[in-house]
Amino acid sequence: DVKVTQSSRYLVKRTGEKVFLECVQDMDHENMFWYRQDPGLGLRLIYFSYDVKMKEKGDIPEGYSVSREKKERFSLILESASTNQTSMYLCASTPGQGYGYTFGSGTRLTVV
Amino acid sequence: QKEVEQDPGPLSVPEGAIVSLNCTYSNSAFQYFMWYRQYSRKGPELLMYTYSSGNKEDGRFTAQVDKSSKYISLFIRDSQPSDSATYLCAMSAGNQGGKLIFGQGTELSVKP
Repeated sequence: DVKVTQSSRYLVKRTGEKVFLECVQDMDHENMFWYRQDPGLGLRLIYFSYDVKMKEKGDIPEGYSVSREKKERFSLILESASTNQTSMYLCASTPGQGYGYTFGSGTRLTVV
Repeated sequence: QKEVEQDPGPLSVPEGAIVSLNCTYSNSAFQYFMWYRQYSRKGPELLMYTYSSGNKEDGRFTAQVDKSSKYISLFIRDSQPSDSATYLCAMSAGNQGGKLIFGQGTELSVKP
């Protein structure tokens, strides 16, 4: 089975901290995505990547950046965490168009 | 207007009922249609996948796509308490590396 692993299930960080969320997939998928999920707002795309060192902005990139130095790893960075970034963060990967995503279990981030 | 609309519920049904979940969409370029199931505090998992119009059946689950009406449905027969979850529809035009557009999700509760 394809596995997408997110490094932390729960995180608590302070306002202003730089936060790293890590995601690793083990099936050589080309494309990887970062979403946040909030009640009443559904899944919102933050960033995605088609290939190593490539990245594309999603619908809500402000306050976030990403890094993809290796094909299997896609990191989400909160440059200066704020309370409105408290959310569930989901990473996903897919081989390409016409395929579904495989999601990680999510990281529930609380910024205090 | 959102590209994909889904009634968030919540929807509560007795065990054994037939459940109908629906999404409408506005982009006629969508050709890949999926349903994901998400249990509480977990990542979404792919449940059903349909390409273009038509029906697909898998056990107690049937997915239908009506492209002329821009309407997709998921039917669950003989619903079980273990079906209690949030169901998200998702669709793609097959470009942008397989980027999916998600509905908000419908929260379903099946009561014993």
